[in-house]
Amino acid sequence: NAGVMQNPRHLVRRRGQEARLRCSPMKGHSHVYWYRQLPEEGLKFMVYLQKENIIDESGMPKERFSAEFPKEGPSILRIQQVVRGDSAAYFCASSPGGRHNPWGEKLFFGSGTQLSVL
Amino acid sequence: DAKTTQPNSMESNEEEPVHLPCNHSTISGTDYIHWYRQLPSQGPEYVIHGLTSNVNNRMASLAIAEDRKSSTLILHRATLRDAAVYYCILRDGLTSYDKVIFGPGTSLSVIP
Repeated sequence: NAGVMQNPRHLVRRRGQEARLRCSPMKGHSHVYWYRQLPEEGLKFMVYLQKENIIDESGMPKERFSAEFPKEGPSILRIQQVVRGDSAAYFCASSPGGRHNPWGEKLFFGSGTQLSVL
Repeated sequence: DAKTTQPNSMESNEEEPVHLPCNHSTISGTDYIHWYRQLPSQGPEYVIHGLTSNVNNRMASLAIAEDRKSSTLILHRATLRDAAVYYCILRDGLTSYDKVIFGPGTSLSVIP
């Protein structure tokens, strides 16, 4: 069973371009979380998705950022018109979802995408 | 947003035990205590979790105070590979829909 896969591992964009970050959750997992980590800082929650639904996007900037988790295919974090301040590591995590794990489920993280904006 | 507080950093000598504290004074009865760690340039990984009783696994032990307002992650023999940021978080056991908030964590340095 492969772990959470994120690609690309490194992404370089010029200011004003679009960045698309992909996250394939573990097999059977229906919940996906996205986090952003600036250098020397902690993980900042961005968005929490279930298949075809956004559960909580309170950590997402209101403009330029969007996320989706379609019925088929990976979850996508999309950043339009990138700026230098978007440079960070973006981590995705997945969990099974549902009420069969009442103790609060483990999160399984990917290795992250390092976005650099020139 | 984080509901836990941890020291910013700690140091340990290699092969000695390490006790990483976490305060969660506003914990509710249904909150589970989870620990994750993040090695340099990697995504976080699950370490251990518990509710009321102390827990042991191959990675670490978790000691939970009787009033549950604090807990301690114990690494029995620190190795250089244990140098990481350790995060203590609370997960609500009643819902499958809680966003997971990480605090700054404790940066553990292991001295050879």
